[in-house]
Amino acid sequence: AQTVTQSQPEMSVQEAETVTLSCTYDTSENNYYLFWYKQPPSRQMILVIRQEAYKQQNATENRFSVNFQKAAKSFSLKISDSQLGDTAMYFCAFMKPGGSNYKLTFGKGTLLTVNP
Amino acid sequence: DVKVTQSSRYLVKRTGEKVFLECVQDMDHENMFWYRQDPGLGLRLIYFSYDVKMKEKGDIPEGYSVSREKKERFSLILESASTNQTSMYLCASSFVGVAQPQHFGDGTRLSIL
Repeated sequence: AQTVTQSQPEMSVQEAETVTLSCTYDTSENNYYLFWYKQPPSRQMILVIRQEAYKQQNATENRFSVNFQKAAKSFSLKISDSQLGDTAMYFCAFMKPGGSNYKLTFGKGTLLTVNP
Repeated sequence: DVKVTQSSRYLVKRTGEKVFLECVQDMDHENMFWYRQDPGLGLRLIYFSYDVKMKEKGDIPEGYSVSREKKERFSLILESASTNQTSMYLCASSFVGVAQPQHFGDGTRLSIL
């Protein structure tokens, strides 16, 4: 079974600075997907970024980028120029594609606070 | 604006009651999901549906059932509510070609007394 570990339960960063959230996973699969989701306080969870394991290039979405290291089974999220609206719980997730297996395995989350 | 709507934001029920949590999406998505979110445990999949009347068990289906009679609606049923089912429940949806949840509802915070 796959496991996803987020070793930082809480983090904080000053507005406009850069912060990196860590995520490691354990799998014997070669082909899979990785995701970062954001859940702001009392608001809907949204998908931030997605990475396919077969792609060597790290995914980027505006101020959000990942550092995907397949051999190390590491998938960290970097947030550049942090904004107050980035304050949220961030979840890393793993999915093995194929068939009817739509099960995501989520990490326990990292609570990020952006301070003014 | 796309929406996944959960019928209740907060719900309080008693042990042994049959509880219905409703979720409706307006995006014509084929896939719908029910997750449970607990502090320190992240999100865990309860059930998944990829079409009307189709369902698959997730990681923690015990004590729950689901119903998908129409494409836009996915109901989670607690057959006989117990205190250990007190939790935040999240509904989500996605297109058939997109396996991961794309849009989430606001969540229902359910308390079983």
